[in-house]
Amino acid sequence: ETGVTQTPRHLVMGMTNKKSLKCEQHLGHNAMYWYKQSAKKPLELMFVYSLEERVENNSVPSRFSPECPNSSHLFLHLHTLQPEDSALYLCASSPGYQETQYFGPGTRLLVL
Amino acid sequence: DAKTTQPNSMESNEEEPVHLPCNHSTISGTDYIHWYRQLPSQGPEYVIHGLTSNVNNRMASLAIAEDRKSSTLILHRATLRDAAVYYCILSSPGRPGANNLFFGTGTRLTVIP
Repeated sequence: ETGVTQTPRHLVMGMTNKKSLKCEQHLGHNAMYWYKQSAKKPLELMFVYSLEERVENNSVPSRFSPECPNSSHLFLHLHTLQPEDSALYLCASSPGYQETQYFGPGTRLLVL
Repeated sequence: DAKTTQPNSMESNEEEPVHLPCNHSTISGTDYIHWYRQLPSQGPEYVIHGLTSNVNNRMASLAIAEDRKSSTLILHRATLRDAAVYYCILSSPGRPGANNLFFGTGTRLTVIP
């Protein structure tokens, strides 16, 4: 069971497309996270929002743009991606910043 | 340099205990030790966490060394459903740090029937 949902679950996009990934948590948490999981690399933290403010941005290219309109929703806007951006994108939430995290099922992204 | 280090893989026979080690020699005083696991085709799920004392829950036990530079996740009776990648990470609630939220490659646990 999970209180964190992600849509879409699968996405195929071309390098010139613009798309958005959505994450929603129903747990009343105040912190939300985006991670990238590639086949050949460890899970990488991308962004962290706490109380709707971005508190971490781990040198992520500008073609990834996060948005946190409220504490329950988190978006990752994608534009002009590269094939090496193909990966599983995971969202997580926690009661407070860096407390126990609860992960969504992920969006598997393929960039052609 | 990795913030936590774990063996790449381990095997266990079904119904036997499993001890998964993790080294975190650069841990700071406010860092909690969290363990997560990731089953195939799923996002990671929380297993257990602790600060200084050993911890038990319905899923596992966590043994923390006295100097806190290492810890061991203990699965008391491995089942086939425990086959997963296990991650040990450090996190310091409310405080960012260089050690924190670094998942590494984890330990892939194979359970043999």
